[in-house]
Amino acid sequence: ETGVTQTPRHLVMGMTNKKSLKCEQHLGHNAMYWYKQSAKKPLELMFVYNFKEQTENNSVPSRFSPECPNSSHLFLHLHTLQPEDSALYLCASSQGRELDEQYFGPGTRLTVT
Amino acid sequence: GENVEQHPSTLSVQEGDSAVIKCTYSDSASNYFPWYKQELGKGPQLIIDIRSNVGEKKDQRIAVTLNKTAKHFSLHITETQPEDSAVYFCAASDGYGNKLVFGAGTILRVKS
Repeated sequence: ETGVTQTPRHLVMGMTNKKSLKCEQHLGHNAMYWYKQSAKKPLELMFVYNFKEQTENNSVPSRFSPECPNSSHLFLHLHTLQPEDSALYLCASSQGRELDEQYFGPGTRLTVT
Repeated sequence: GENVEQHPSTLSVQEGDSAVIKCTYSDSASNYFPWYKQELGKGPQLIIDIRSNVGEKKDQRIAVTLNKTAKHFSLHITETQPEDSAVYFCAASDGYGNKLVFGAGTILRVKS
């Protein structure tokens, strides 16, 4: 266990649905990240929160909406997704003082039908 | 922006042999280079990292080398074991030190 949990582990949703992914870290970290992992492609950084403030939005479509209510929790709200959004969504956390080790959760496998 | 290339995409070795994975990066200002291992059904896990003030770092069977002039770094695994089979990712910090840019990954298979 890395100290980063994600729920649900698997999610199937239609293009008109609204769903949310949840991430929680128990490491006392101050930075949290959302990544998208597609087959045979590098991990793509989506969002970064540092001390609950969003510091990075990597040109992500507005159908993905992040929320960071406190330094331990991170959400990714999904609505009107496309089939090409099917992927593994990974959450990570780090100390946040400088670029350092990121601890990843197990991911949520999302399938958009 | 930063671009990271990783080779090979797949690598098969016999148990006990060595494995080498290579990465190149484009931003000369990058100064942090971690390597992650991802097993099936799990998220990536850091196995070793190196910063730009060091040329080589070793941790038991794993070593990383960095050549800042050539802008490439490599992962070396010696005496490979079946449990080393996984996907390995290299990454480099962007020039501002704000985020990591990942390579596409290498599937390592260790045959017993």
